[in-house]
Amino acid sequence: EVQLLESGGGLVQPGRSLRLSCTASGFTLSAYGMVWVRQAPGKGLEWISAIVGGEGDTYYADSLKGRFIISRDDSTNTLALQMHSLRPDDTATYYCAKGLGMYSTQPVVWGQGTTVTVSS
Amino acid sequence: QAVVTQEPSLTVSPGGTVTLTCGSSRGPVTSGHFPYWVQKKPGQAPRTLIHDITDRHPWTPARFSGSLLGVKLALTLSDAQPEDEADYYCLVTYAGVVVFGGGTRLTVL
Repeated sequence: EVQLLESGGGLVQPGRSLRLSCTASGFTLSAYGMVWVRQAPGKGLEWISAIVGGEGDTYYADSLKGRFIISRDDSTNTLALQMHSLRPDDTATYYCAKGLGMYSTQPVVWGQGTTVTVSS
Repeated sequence: QAVVTQEPSLTVSPGGTVTLTCGSSRGPVTSGHFPYWVQKKPGQAPRTLIHDITDRHPWTPARFSGSLLGVKLALTLSDAQPEDEADYYCLVTYAGVVVFGGGTRLTVL
């Protein structure tokens, strides 16, 4: 059974960095595209980034490029999202998701999410 | 970046049929944009219902169907159930970068 478990969320001060993790089970991470999506309180879904399988080309939303970095650790089957220079409007629930195939950047199977609150 | 537009809200009666649409500022939505539909209920993780315009996932009830209506993506819900009350998001992809629509709040009443 495919399972995704996000971790690393919490309260962080503006300007600081935070690293989210997504531990995958039931499949090999490097064989699929993997995605991060967030939802701020009262707002819609926002696609953040994706990393495709194989060599792991990465894609980012224009608005977040440069501050957020997606990566993957094949030895632990874990996806990560490194977030820098956090702002209050980065406050959201962050979801990782598995794509349909190796080069998918669209979310199909979702984790339960981890909540990030950016506040002083 | 493209702007993807959905109806902000729609209402359907139990047992009724409703169609949600999704358009892009970049022009007609096609299969090359890998269009999807995602359902989101409060306090729950999102759930992807439809991929590639028409394809349901194993967990997607048959009462949900996807199509193209002219230049737009469409999601039709037939025989609406109370549990279908949710926010629905479409997404399209441009050169690997995904853009979500603003979402449609569907009320079953």
